[in-house]
Amino acid sequence: DGGITQSPKYLFRKEGQNVTLSCEQNLNHDAMYWYRQDPGQGLRLIYYSQIVNDFQKGDIAEGYSVSREKKESFPLTVTSAQKNPTAFYLCASSISLGAEKLFFGSGTQLSVL
Amino acid sequence: DAKTTQPPSMDCAEGRAANLPCNHSTISGNEYVYWYRQIHSQGPQYIIHGLKNNETNEMASLIITEDRKSSTLILPHATLRDTAVYYCIVRFASGSARQLTFGSGTQLTVLP
Repeated sequence: DGGITQSPKYLFRKEGQNVTLSCEQNLNHDAMYWYRQDPGQGLRLIYYSQIVNDFQKGDIAEGYSVSREKKESFPLTVTSAQKNPTAFYLCASSISLGAEKLFFGSGTQLSVL
Repeated sequence: DAKTTQPPSMDCAEGRAANLPCNHSTISGNEYVYWYRQIHSQGPQYIIHGLKNNETNEMASLIITEDRKSSTLILPHATLRDTAVYYCIVRFASGSARQLTFGSGTQLTVLP
């Protein structure tokens, strides 16, 4: 089945630790995105990538980093500089940047120990 | 992208039509109306989108007023599995690089 796979489902971070959230898609989509969702809130864009080896900051990029070395993969690293990392993280993809439909993964819940 | 206003919550009886309203009074002529929904602890799912004409697909119908300042998403026969947060979003179809901006949405609860 085609889709987007995020792992792990739950992740715990210790103080001062960097953690990486995985996002893989087999939809052959060029564009990929990372969103953050806090309880009872909408989604906020962290980073997006239009194509391999290219990515741009979204609205809340501080404390996060990404890479796009392969078309299928867009991992997100939550660095120790992100002081409030506890949130639900969602990865999405689309055929191209600005395409009509976004396809989302099932999310990763990150919590701080 | 134009801002949208949705009621925070709504209830609907199972088997009845669920009508979810959205106000987007500042919408411009080239902006589309999109609807997504998010079931608890899952990623959002695309439902439907439209520009000015009413649209229907296997999931729902979208009714856009003639002045395009508001719209209604209709789930014709709501089931318990339709309980979710529904997001109304307005943006240019060709893609603002900023992508979709999700507000707080409407929590629809379908009651047995």
